Amino acid sequence: DAGVIQSPRHEVTEMGQEVTLRCKPISGHDYLFWYRQTMMRGLELLIYFNNNVPIDDSGMPEDRFSAKMPNASFSTLKIQPSEPRDSAVYFCASSLLGGSIAFFGQGTRLTVV
Amino acid sequence: EDQVTQSPEALRLQEGESSSLNCSYTVSGLRGLFWYRQDPGKGPEFLFTLYSAGEEKEKERLKATLTKKESFLHITAPKPEDSATYLCAGYVNAGGTSYGKLTFGQGTILTVHP
Repeated sequence: DAGVIQSPRHEVTEMGQEVTLRCKPISGHDYLFWYRQTMMRGLELLIYFNNNVPIDDSGMPEDRFSAKMPNASFSTLKIQPSEPRDSAVYFCASSLLGGSIAFFGQGTRLTVV
Repeated sequence: EDQVTQSPEALRLQEGESSSLNCSYTVSGLRGLFWYRQDPGKGPEFLFTLYSAGEEKEKERLKATLTKKESFLHITAPKPEDSATYLCAGYVNAGGTSYGKLTFGQGTILTVHP
């Protein structure tokens, strides 16, 4: 298996633009997580899904952020409109069971200028 | 509020110089304690899971231990390739549900000099 695949690896966008980050989880995994990592706040859980259903979105910073999982093999995290403070590395992770090992993707480094 | 705190923030060792990293947690209903390694530009990579006080896990030069309040990652005779950021995470209840989620500490940046 190729592991968790995220795209793009790097994204530079202007403030106010819409940004869409994509994730393909490991086949067969039924949990999918979106994290954000910054120097100041470390690794923060934004939202996670179980069987394509959002379970906990309490970490989503505000209404500008939204996440979807239309099927078991694809998820998106959208920021609209983007702001400079959204600049961070966004990770997607998946696991077979909620409490088991979460496998992380390589991350998307987002820069909003 | 659930908190996971790691110390030190950064640690510099000479090759062969053993040491320990600390992870203390104040969480309600800890269901497991995870250790991850993160290399620059990459996602965290799973190392260990510990579920009960007194449990120990080993992998090469690394050994993780767990007490009721903290976990240690012991590094014996480290090599330069052990240089990375080490993250610990508490697997805790997601409020109001039967699900759980990982709450990460800030990490310890380990540098091992040859």
